[in-house]
Amino acid sequence: GAGVSQTPSNKVTEKGKYVELRCDPISGHTALYWYRQSLGQGPEFLIYFQGTGAADDSGLPNDRFFAVRPEGSVSTLKIQRTERGDSAVYLCASSLAFRDRIVFGSGTRLTVV
Amino acid sequence: GEDVEQSLFLSVREGDSSVINCTYTDSSSTYLYWYKQEPGAGLQLLTYIFSNMDMKQDQRLTVLLNKKDKHLSLRIADTQTGDSAIYFCAPHGSEKLTFGTGTRLTIIP
Repeated sequence: GAGVSQTPSNKVTEKGKYVELRCDPISGHTALYWYRQSLGQGPEFLIYFQGTGAADDSGLPNDRFFAVRPEGSVSTLKIQRTERGDSAVYLCASSLAFRDRIVFGSGTRLTVV
Repeated sequence: GEDVEQSLFLSVREGDSSVINCTYTDSSSTYLYWYKQEPGAGLQLLTYIFSNMDMKQDQRLTVLLNKKDKHLSLRIADTQTGDSAIYFCAPHGSEKLTFGTGTRLTIIP
């Protein structure tokens, strides 16, 4: 597609529920990134995929967070047993290859109530 | 890991130039980006510079890179009210893009 697409744009969920956030990168982009931006802060790195594999998942805060990219294109960020502290904007980005110019999607705003 | 620092606030009179500064630690950074974020909106890629360049100019925007001192700056000429936003410096280091805290630019009429 023309840009990085993230769905849904907004998600409200109850504490303890499971959520999935989807990212469609730009067609042909092999590198895909997930970031999280809490209110009043800069985006924080979560995980980076090169193709289908997670090349760096050092930013995932704990084992409730998991991300997949099974066919090297669309990625899903999964959060189990959501907590109020997970409320943030989750940003996805992609680039043609590692270290190429990175393009961000508009994000999914997650609110845990 | 990479550490990126920016001043939190900058106030500039309309029509003056704004200069937003950033220091970083990862000398292997290849692309160095500036993003703009307006209230409630997503990240907008404003401009970027490749690490083998010293300067890049794009209309009202000038990016200066001092690789030796690991210092990046963004100059906005003839600052307008529409430039009010948070500006993030983001070097692309050895593995990932790391964001600074952001500088909130306020325009004084």
